[in-house]
Order: sequence, then structure tokens, then C-alpha cells
Amino acid sequence: EAGVAQSPRYKIIEKRQSVAFWCNPISGHATLYWYQQILGQGPKLLIQFQNNGVVDDSQLPKDRFSAERLKGVDSTLKIQPAKLEDSAVYLCASSLAGHTTDTQYFGPGTRLTVL
Amino acid sequence: AQKITQTQPGMFVQEKEAVTLDCTYDTSDQSYGLFWYKQPSSGEMIFLIYQGSYDEQNATEGRYSLNFQKARKSANLVISASQLGDSAMYFCAMREGQKGRRALTFGSGTRLQVQP
Repeated sequence: EAGVAQSPRYKIIEKRQSVAFWCNPISGHATLYWYQQILGQGPKLLIQFQNNGVVDDSQLPKDRFSAERLKGVDSTLKIQPAKLEDSAVYLCASSLAGHTTDTQYFGPGTRLTVL
Repeated sequence: AQKITQTQPGMFVQEKEAVTLDCTYDTSDQSYGLFWYKQPSSGEMIFLIYQGSYDEQNATEGRYSLNFQKARKSANLVISASQLGDSAMYFCAMREGQKGRRALTFGSGTRLQVQP
């Protein structure tokens, strides 16, 4: 079974530029998450989707971050404009909604550097 | 207050020995889940083990076991017979029972280094 796919793996941009990340979850997983992991910290949730609806985006900086999951499968996360403090690894995870453990499986992440 | 506390920023262990990584949590929910993930230098978060709040037995998965002490709100990870490949960051995480909100809250992690 294929895991969670993310691209690109690395991205370097100048501050005030825009950037987009893509995630393809495990087949059949209805729930998709985007986390931000700043160096030296644990991941922090940005947004949770259930199918193509948003369940929780309370920690998403909506003035610059946006995310969508139009057909309930792939998702994109966008930052516009980027700030220096957005330098982090962006992790996508998915889970099989309704399963008892609801274990989240993570992709390899996208490492963003904002100069 | 921190929901997940990992008090050991770094740990060393000799190859083939056992090691315990500490995790304490804070929640007022009756239903919750506790997870441990491994993050090697490549960056991917690898699921290791899960413990549900209503599970009476401690979870085990191969060389990993979770020492769950509900009254003390602790969920320590025990790795037996450490291997060089176990060197990585280890994160404890909790999912609380809020309906629909399935996101994990992570601790700050423990870096484990296994020495030959």
C-alpha cells in the first residue's frame, strides 16, 4: 500500500514570495491533516479536512495561509506572502476515519526555507 | 499548561540495552488516545505504538511497549534491545475525544542516540 505522498521535498524562497505544497493521502483515507514543524519542536496542526470539508483550521494563519481539498483526495497548502518565521517542515498526514485507533500516517514532509 | 510533556531532550543508550522515554499528559477527557512516533533524520514521522485510554493492558508492538499509568497520566515508551537504527527523535502525542477533531497534540520530543 502506497504511503502519503508530498511534493516538493525541499523549497527555498525569498520572503514575500508565494509557495504551494501538495499532498496525496493514503487511498481510502477520508481525513487529511497539515502540520507545521518548526526546528526543535513537535508538529503543530494547521488544518484538518474530513473528505473535502474543513473540520479544524483554528491554528491556520488565515491572512497568509490557505488550504483546499477539492475532490476529497489531494490537498494543497499555500503560503502567500511568506515570512521568515514560516521556515519549517510541512507535514501532511492522513487517517482512516472511523477506525478505533484512527492512527495518522505521515508523508515525508516539505522542508521550506524562507530567506 | 502543556498537554504533552517530554522532559528528556536527549538520551543515550548502549546497543542491546533497554531504554525508557518519558511522557506525561494532561487532559480532562475520559476518552483519549496516546501515540508514539519516531522521526529519523530523514524527517518522516513513523508510527510506533498506540494506547487507548480505556485499554486495560499496556500496548506492545515488537520491541516497543508502552507503560501506561492512567492515574499518574504517564505513557512512557520502552524500547527493548536497542539497535543503532533506533537513533532518532521520538515524539509522544495525544488525541483527545472532541468529536470530529482528530488532530494530535505533540510533545517537544526526545532525541535518542544508540551507542555501539
